[in-house]
Order: sequence, then C-alpha cells, then structure tokens
Amino acid sequence: EPEVTQTPSHQVTQMGQEVILRCVPISNHLYFYWYRQILGQKVEFLVSFYNNEISEKSEIFDDQFSVERPDGSNFTLKIRSTKLEDSAMYFCASSGRTGDKAFFGQGTRLTVV
Amino acid sequence: RKEVEQDPGPFNVPEGATVAFNCTYSNSASQSFFWYRQDCRKEPKLLMSVYSSGNEDGRFTAQLNRASQYISLLIRDSKLSDSATYLCVVRDNFNKFYFGSGTKLNVKP
Repeated sequence: EPEVTQTPSHQVTQMGQEVILRCVPISNHLYFYWYRQILGQKVEFLVSFYNNEISEKSEIFDDQFSVERPDGSNFTLKIRSTKLEDSAMYFCASSGRTGDKAFFGQGTRLTVV
Repeated sequence: RKEVEQDPGPFNVPEGATVAFNCTYSNSASQSFFWYRQDCRKEPKLLMSVYSSGNEDGRFTAQLNRASQYISLLIRDSKLSDSATYLCVVRDNFNKFYFGSGTKLNVKP
C-alpha cells in the first residue's frame, strides 16, 4: 500500500534555530497537510496545500512557519526560529480527490531545547 | 465551539465486551466522516470511513446521522489489541480535516 514518508523521525534543536521537516506524500494525491500534536493533546491543523499554494492555515501557522513543494514530490515545513512550545509531533498527510480519506506519515518528533 | 467533540474516556472494558463511541460535529456542510485509530506516539491510521447508510467492517460498525450531526463507532468482541485512542475526523467542503480530541479505550484481560 502506498504511504506517506517523513524525515527525520526525531529532531532535537536549540531554541531560535531553523528546522525543516520533510515529507513525501503519496504520488498521485492532490491535497497536502501539516498537523501537529503536542504530547497528550489533540491533533491540531496547521496548514493545507493544494494546486501549489496554501489553501488554508490556522492561527498557529504564523510568520515563523512556511511550506514548500519544491520539486513536485517533496513537501516541507520550515520553522524559522523555533520556540520551546513548538516541541510536538508533526504529521504530514495527503489525500486524493475531494472527500477522500487522508493518509498520515509516521511523524517527526521535534524537541526544542 | 469545538468543530468535533468526543468523550475523552477512558473506556475500560474487559475482553469480549461491546463498546460504543460517539462524536458530534458542528459544521452541517461537512462532507466526509472517518474514524481513525491512534496508538501511543504513533500516527493516526484510518480505521474506517463512515457512510450515511452505516457500514460495517468485521467487528466494527460505524453510523452517521446527518440530521443530528452525530457519528458513532461500535466495537464488538473487544480484543486486547483494540486498546488505542479512537479519533473522530470530519472533512469539510474545503477539504480540511477536523479532529476530535479522541476517545481512549483500554481493553483488559
């Protein structure tokens, strides 16, 4: 079965540093997402991406965050200047046509120290 | 108001029990409905989609009531391996997925 892959699985970074989280969505999917989950809390929406642009973003997704799909296969989330409260599990997801289910990657655990 | 609401549990049940989870959603324009399962520190994995006519997959039965904006999941003959958090997920007409906070299930021997 096709799957969404994310790298790295775990990243430790110092506060104020930039991180890039990488995702390879399922190849024929059209909709791409980043979600995050702080330990013990619910899965929170960050951003959705369709037709090479952001379609929606949450209030969490401030100017420190950006997304790119640089080469038609990778989908990246960049956090420019990490804060302690950015520590969370970050999940990438992709989905096919409208109304279809989403497939999630295994996540990147980001720890900001 | 939360977009998707679930009872957080935990539900502690013995093996073999039948357990039901409920979920309500606020957006009447929601298009698609799902139950996902999440194990500790793992990604959400699709358990089943939920259709208006109701659907069954082995021991799992899902129901949708659009008029009441209510979704349910029934698990029969619970197994130890069913222990997980069950996430109610709704996709709106802008293709955004909304997650409930999850219902934790503990199946005990």
